[in-house]
Amino acid sequence: GAVVSQHPSWVICKSGTSVKIECRSLDFQATTMFWYRQFPKQSLMLMATSNEGSKATYEQGVEKDKFLINHASLTLSTLTVTSAHPEDSSFYICSARGRGDTEAFFGQGTRLTVV
Amino acid sequence: GQNIDQPTEMTATEGAIVQINCTYQTSGFNGLFWYQQHAGEAPTFLSYNVLDGLEEKGRFSSFLSRSKGYSYLLLKELQMKDSASYLCAVMDSNYQLIWGAGTKLIIKP
Repeated sequence: GAVVSQHPSWVICKSGTSVKIECRSLDFQATTMFWYRQFPKQSLMLMATSNEGSKATYEQGVEKDKFLINHASLTLSTLTVTSAHPEDSSFYICSARGRGDTEAFFGQGTRLTVV
Repeated sequence: GQNIDQPTEMTATEGAIVQINCTYQTSGFNGLFWYQQHAGEAPTFLSYNVLDGLEEKGRFSSFLSRSKGYSYLLLKELQMKDSASYLCAVMDSNYQLIWGAGTKLIIKP
């Protein structure tokens, strides 16, 4: 199957700082990328959907000024958590889908801990 | 509203068979996915059903009935490594994935 690489796998940051998470499709062109957040023992919660070259569409309740998403190329999307707070600590997962594809492939996820 | 229902937790014995059910109500239907997720890891794809019937892939099979809004994932010859959460997700008319809360499967020796 297609490979999606997410980096970093885990990060610890101080409260008030910003963290950038990268999501790369290694062997296909990802026209659509999805960013999810998952709290312990809960299912995936879609944060936003981004199409290459367009602004991301955020789900209700997700602050677009806090969670900055950039999808500037067909192989890279980034999620920046700005002014992170302890309540932002979570597992963040990206998935990518190619044009005309139904299946989306997941990155490995990023465990963010804000102290 | 859109809704995906699956049991919260199931327990089974190593070597046995277990069936995880999923019922859904969504605005439109463009297929149903099953994913496996081990603790602390991202989900991995197991199956995709868009037509009624049974799809078999090794020890795992997935069934779909669109008229009933129902699917199940069947796991045979259970192994300890199958202990994980199993997520049911439906792609709606906008090609968005609607996720169930996941079923935690516990395998006992």
